[in-house]
Amino acid sequence: GAGVSQSPRYKVAKRGQDVALRCDPISGHVSLFWYQQALGQGPEFLTYFQNEAQLDKSGLPSDRFFAERPEGSVSTLKIQRTQQEDSAVYLCASSSGRSSYEQYFGPGTRLTVT
Amino acid sequence: AQSVTQPDIHITVSEGASLELRCNYSYGATPYLFWYVQSPGQGLQLLLKYFSGDTLVQGIKGFEAEFKRSQSSFNLRKPSVHWSDAAEYFCAVGSTSGTYKYIFGTGTRLKVLA
Repeated sequence: GAGVSQSPRYKVAKRGQDVALRCDPISGHVSLFWYQQALGQGPEFLTYFQNEAQLDKSGLPSDRFFAERPEGSVSTLKIQRTQQEDSAVYLCASSSGRSSYEQYFGPGTRLTVT
Repeated sequence: AQSVTQPDIHITVSEGASLELRCNYSYGATPYLFWYVQSPGQGLQLLLKYFSGDTLVQGIKGFEAEFKRSQSSFNLRKPSVHWSDAAEYFCAVGSTSGTYKYIFGTGTRLKVLA
């Protein structure tokens, strides 16, 4: 595709609900990243995939957060039993893998937990 | 641990004036450094990057940045600011821990006066 796309763009969840956020990376990009951006803060790393392998999940804040990329393209970030502190913008980025240091970001999903 | 500091939370400049946004990093070796811009409701757009070589790098939209190892800095500059430059700017360092994740600063919000 032309760029990284994410859906939904906005999500309102009641505390305790489960949510799933989708990321479509740039076609052919092997590396995929998820970041969490709280209000007024810089993005913070959550997890990293190379193809379908999740190589780093050190940034996931709790076991309520789960990410997958089963076929090495689309990725889903799932948050179970959402809490108010989960309210943030969730950014997805992809890179070609030839120069994984250059990441291309999607528009993000703004999650509000009420 | 790697870290990035952007000392200025907000900066206001007049249109046509010059701009410098500060970024300091903490890292043991030669870092990979980036500047991204984020407009409201938009994802992060790469302005420029430094991997090695010439310490003065040119980016898009007339921006440039200079890597100064002695000062652990990577400041972003623009000689003449346009109203459309109003946005939030993030400095990031690329991790070399093997996962290629970015560590971001907290951002600088730029306001441009007409």
